Amino acid sequence: EAGVTQSPTHLIKTRGQQATLRCSPISGHTSVYWYQQALGLGLQFLLWYDEGEERNRGNFPPRFSGRQFPNYSSELNVNALELEDSALYLCASSLGQRIMTDTQYFGPGTRLTVL
Amino acid sequence: DQQVKQNSPSLSVQEGRISILNCDYTNSMFDYFLWYKKYPAEGPTFLISISSIKDKNEDGRFTVFLNKSAKHLSLHIVPSQPGDSAVYFCAAREMNYGGSQGNLIFGKGTKLSVKP
Repeated sequence: EAGVTQSPTHLIKTRGQQATLRCSPISGHTSVYWYQQALGLGLQFLLWYDEGEERNRGNFPPRFSGRQFPNYSSELNVNALELEDSALYLCASSLGQRIMTDTQYFGPGTRLTVL
Repeated sequence: DQQVKQNSPSLSVQEGRISILNCDYTNSMFDYFLWYKKYPAEGPTFLISISSIKDKNEDGRFTVFLNKSAKHLSLHIVPSQPGDSAVYFCAAREMNYGGSQGNLIFGKGTKLSVKP
């Protein structure tokens, strides 16, 4: 069974540009989560999508946005890139069932570098 | 304000011995706890989890203990192997949707080195 996939693996942008990162969840998973791991920091929650709706967002500015498509894949958009947006962006998916033990499985990440 | 804390940035253990990684949390509303293992430039790999209604969960060489009154959990790896060398993250889930699902809050990780 294929795991969570993310593209691209690496992305280099300049300050002020926009970045689009993509994520395909494990087959059968309906919830997608985005996290940021900046240098020296832990994983910070960005966004959660379930059944096409944004369910929760972390403490990030509105220029971080995304969406979830009918096939449950997801896109993260970062507008007006700043140098401090350079980080590893991780996508996770889960079954999305309303059960206590719903576990998130992570993709390999997209390394975004802002110059 | 860190809700999930891993106070030891690193741990070094001899092969064959026990590795104990610790994690403390402050939010009593957390209902589900997970441990992930991460290699550099890769995504975290799920290891083991425990729900707040249990105090122990075991899977092969990995055992997680939860002490709710102390708001503390630990991961035991027995016996430790060189391939276990990685960064280990403790994560806790905020309750949503009536007590299930929701985003994870991560600790900053503990780098485990298992020496042959």
